[in-house]
Amino acid sequence: SQQGEEDPQALSIQEGENATMNCSYKTSINNLQWYRQNSGRGLVHLILIRSNEREKHSGRLRVTLDTSKKSSSLLITASRAADTASYFCATNSGTYKYIFGTGTRLKVLA
Amino acid sequence: DAGVTQSPTHLIKTRGQQVTLRCSPKSGHDTVSWYQQALGQGPQFIFQYYEEEERQRGNFPDRFSGHQFPNYSSELNVNALLLGDSALYLCASSPMAGGGADTQYFGPGTRLTVL
Repeated sequence: SQQGEEDPQALSIQEGENATMNCSYKTSINNLQWYRQNSGRGLVHLILIRSNEREKHSGRLRVTLDTSKKSSSLLITASRAADTASYFCATNSGTYKYIFGTGTRLKVLA
Repeated sequence: DAGVTQSPTHLIKTRGQQVTLRCSPKSGHDTVSWYQQALGQGPQFIFQYYEEEERQRGNFPDRFSGHQFPNYSSELNVNALLLGDSALYLCASSPMAGGGADTQYFGPGTRLTVL
């Protein structure tokens, strides 16, 4: 079963705009990761945020984590057509497995 | 530095057959996890191997089994294939036997179609 749920399921924006997607999860976590997947191929790791962190940045990406609300958000600033992909959050609760959400399909229009 | 590699890229089988998928982890990684991703869904954890042993398993039947070799590469075997086993199978490696706090690096996947 899926632990996380991304919202929205699909998002379509113009190039240059910002894209925000959210992830909610059910149980307490050790860390949360965001991944990108192009055209049903392998996943590319974007950012890992630990449960004691509230915000992390990497280039045009900003991730926030609110453990009290059991939610995280991924912000992509100044989006590009190449950002078109599916984005997944994955949570780890201290075991060896990651539980993935259902994904947000982002389409950036040129 | 080679990343995670998987073979084959695509595979077509018929119901009842058996299949073996292969994965070579990223250099320096000793832990391999396998995931199943159905179309339009997120990946679901099958199991993880470390030191040639299955360390944790997800909610998958015994038809799914695996193996890890001394060079850390891994195989996923699925017996008695069902139509519902059609999916993208992803292998991920991570650098240490930590408490799950490690970044996982994914391979490109094997697309399995069961007819």
